[in-house]
Amino acid sequence: DAKTTQPNSMESNEEEPVHLPCNHSTISGTDYIHWYRQLPSQGPEYVIHGLTSNVNNRMASLAIAEDRKSSTLILHRATLRDAAVYYCIPPPGGGADGLTFGKGTHLIIQP
Amino acid sequence: NAGVTQTPKFRVLKTGQSMTLLCAQDMNHEYMYWYRQDPGMGLRLIHYSVGEGTTAKGEVPDGYNVSRLKKQNFLLGLESAAPSQTSVYFCASSYWGQGAYEQYFGPGTRLTVT
Repeated sequence: DAKTTQPNSMESNEEEPVHLPCNHSTISGTDYIHWYRQLPSQGPEYVIHGLTSNVNNRMASLAIAEDRKSSTLILHRATLRDAAVYYCIPPPGGGADGLTFGKGTHLIIQP
Repeated sequence: NAGVTQTPKFRVLKTGQSMTLLCAQDMNHEYMYWYRQDPGMGLRLIHYSVGEGTTAKGEVPDGYNVSRLKKQNFLLGLESAAPSQTSVYFCASSYWGQGAYEQYFGPGTRLTVT
């Protein structure tokens, strides 16, 4: 099974961009890369996913390395509301298996 | 749409008591999941269902039972609660397509077993 590695925590200032890295060197060529986040006292929420090329949505951008061994979640202008734990999720074992949540990266936003 | 809702939001049980947690989704999703999250940890999968009338075990199924009698509901039962089951329980539902897996989570149920 593919595994991911993320830093335990990161700190950034409000209104500045944030780059959250994830290493997934064991991912296969057809596996999507997914990111979720969990705000304090809430359930996780989907952020973004991608396969090979960079992806953008209203919440964030996902930059995927050309060799697909790593990716970076980009929050273009962090706000205090973006303070959360961000999870880079490896693909499920197969079919409709549940997601594997590691400890993620605890993002701290300073005002 | 309400999305995924969970009942109750909080519960305190004594060791040995039983209870059922209810999860409901209004997105017509085939797949539903129950996770638990212990303090400072990521979520762990308890049981899941790929459709009405079907269930399967996840990573930590012991001490729990589930049922999916209706497509929109997924019930998690604790027959004899133990302090080790003190946790926050999250339900999720999802569609499945082309290798992408966007799961929608409920707000959680905080359970304390004394």
